[in-house]
Amino acid sequence: GENVEQHPSTLSVQEGDSAVIKCTYSDSASNYFPWYKQELGKGPQLIIDIRSNVGEKKDQRIAVTLNKTAKHFSLHITETQPEDSAVYFCAASSGGSEKLVFGKGTKLTVNP
Amino acid sequence: GAVVSQHPSWVICKSGTSVKIECRSLDFQATTMFWYRQFPKQSLMLMATSNEGSKATYEQGVEKDKFLINHASLTLSTLTVTSAHPEDSSFYICSARASVSEQFFGPGTRLTVL
Repeated sequence: GENVEQHPSTLSVQEGDSAVIKCTYSDSASNYFPWYKQELGKGPQLIIDIRSNVGEKKDQRIAVTLNKTAKHFSLHITETQPEDSAVYFCAASSGGSEKLVFGKGTKLTVNP
Repeated sequence: GAVVSQHPSWVICKSGTSVKIECRSLDFQATTMFWYRQFPKQSLMLMATSNEGSKATYEQGVEKDKFLINHASLTLSTLTVTSAHPEDSSFYICSARASVSEQFFGPGTRLTVL
């Protein structure tokens, strides 16, 4: 089955800097890759996603890149703000499965 | 759009009692909903996939007789933790599938079993 590895587990940046979180997946059939932001005591919130027919997608300060050959995808947050502090999860699913397989999460701290 | 609610947001119960958690898709119809469990500082663990009008599909290691799932309508799925014990204490989160792949999550339910 699918296995998703996520790095780093913790990331601390200064306000205004960029943050990058990386994930790798094992199943070459996976074709959907969402990123979720989870604040303490709340459910995950979908912040951006990408499908396998696209190499990059951007939404304001957030971007995701996908390298199908290497089977890895990354989340990029620019001009970080303290309110970006949260746990971020990557996930992957294949067209043949409705299930999402999650990475273990990255705790991002943006220091003012 | 794509709002999912859960009720209750938190519940405390005595060991041996049953607890029901509701998951609703508020502005879309969801033929498929998912139930996850999350321990502190850990990732989400899929418990089961709930399809409207049919039996839920449980992940390996999840007791279907303990975690009863009902998906009676396109906007409501329920998870009942039967004969709850302290080890069942956790954060339970549902999600609803809005399109071919996109899942939107509820705010979660914190269950504490005394």
